[in-house]
Amino acid sequence: GAGVSQSPSNKVTEKGKDVELRCDPISGHTALYWYRQSLGQGLEFLIYFQGNSAPDKSGLPSDRFSAERTGGSVSTLTIQRTQQEDSAVYLCASSLVRASGRDTQYFGPGTRLTVL
Amino acid sequence: GDSVTQMEGPVTLSEEAFLTINCTYTATGYPSLFWYVQYPGEGLQLLLKATKADDKGSNKGFEATYRKETTSFHLEKGSVQVSDSAVYFCALTTYSGAGSYQLTFGKGTKLSVIP
Repeated sequence: GAGVSQSPSNKVTEKGKDVELRCDPISGHTALYWYRQSLGQGLEFLIYFQGNSAPDKSGLPSDRFSAERTGGSVSTLTIQRTQQEDSAVYLCASSLVRASGRDTQYFGPGTRLTVL
Repeated sequence: GDSVTQMEGPVTLSEEAFLTINCTYTATGYPSLFWYVQYPGEGLQLLLKATKADDKGSNKGFEATYRKETTSFHLEKGSVQVSDSAVYFCALTTYSGAGSYQLTFGKGTKLSVIP
């Protein structure tokens, strides 16, 4: 079946603008994660969804970052008032049933965000 | 907190050479361990995993053994190919206490294999 998809693949925005990044997980996967990949920080966890709720938001770097998930499927990561340090590749991953340390997380291709 | 340390790259090898990428970890609990690979222009893919001590994960000729006594999960391949050129990430799952098992990654090792 289809893998995790993300859109857009690339996004260039001006400092101070808001952006929305979308993730479509694998059908039937109830656990969904957002990560960020940047040159300076490597790969970092941002937020975790189980169904439509987000019990772990501990990785969000500031209150400019928020995310939601609807219908237990599509998730949107929103960054308000973007800053240059937000430039990174934003990755979405999903896993089957519910989160487990043993479950494989399947990653999407990412959205490359560039803030000018 | 939990962390992963892997050897710094880049690593350049000739085709058919032996590959080792070292990975060690620090974890408060009993993590599962993973190697992910990122080919040029593509997303992260799971290469192999091991969920308990002494387990060996293997895939596409790559192997790694979960060594609890040395807190290590070194990646090996006996004979690399040009098509193995990629960035390799060692990772573990960390339970956050809020129901999530987020991945904690090493910084990645870039491998280039030359013909």
